[in-house]
Amino acid sequence: GAGVSQTPSNKVTEKGKYVELRCDPISGHTALYWYRQSLGQGPEFLIYFQGTGAADDSGLPNDRFFAVRPEGSVSTLKIQRTERGDSAVYLCASSLRALDEQFFGPGTRLTVL
Amino acid sequence: DAKTTQPTSMDCAEGRAANLPCNHSTISGNEYVYWYRQIHSQGPQYIIHGLKNNETNEMASLIITEDRKSSTLILPHATLRDTAVYYCIVRPLTGTASKLTFGTGTRLQVTL
Repeated sequence: GAGVSQTPSNKVTEKGKYVELRCDPISGHTALYWYRQSLGQGPEFLIYFQGTGAADDSGLPNDRFFAVRPEGSVSTLKIQRTERGDSAVYLCASSLRALDEQFFGPGTRLTVL
Repeated sequence: DAKTTQPTSMDCAEGRAANLPCNHSTISGNEYVYWYRQIHSQGPQYIIHGLKNNETNEMASLIITEDRKSSTLILPHATLRDTAVYYCIVRPLTGTASKLTFGTGTRLQVTL
């Protein structure tokens, strides 16, 4: 079956702009996670959804970052007033239930000029 | 979450066993040891996890010491496709602690 998909695969934007990154989890997976990965580092947790609600948003770096999952499937990560330091690969993962193994998508590479 | 320590990099000849160590000396009783790997330009991939018993699946074996302070991931016959960064993660399986806390991992290079 289809895995986790993320769009776009690459996004280049200018400092100060707004961006949206989309994640399509594996069908039926109730848990969805966002991570970001800077060059040479391991992925860093951002937010975790159980169903439609954000169960843990402790990793969001500041209030410019926001994520939604309105129908409990697709999720969108939104970044306002982008900064150069936001440049990274943004990874999405899903799992059948909260504590099951996580399946990762290929990521969206965000570049802020 | 308990911290893990892994070597920065390792080499392994193709066809030989790759043994990747991980130290997690502050692990607590409700924390599992997970291993993921990340091949270049891809998302991380789950390999295996365990609590205190040794585990084996089609990809690898996980050996956890009796005191649970360290573990070793074993790829029995490494191939070039196993070249990746391998992450050892300690994760509690209680409550809402669902996130994975990645370190910098071990970069395994499999060579001919």
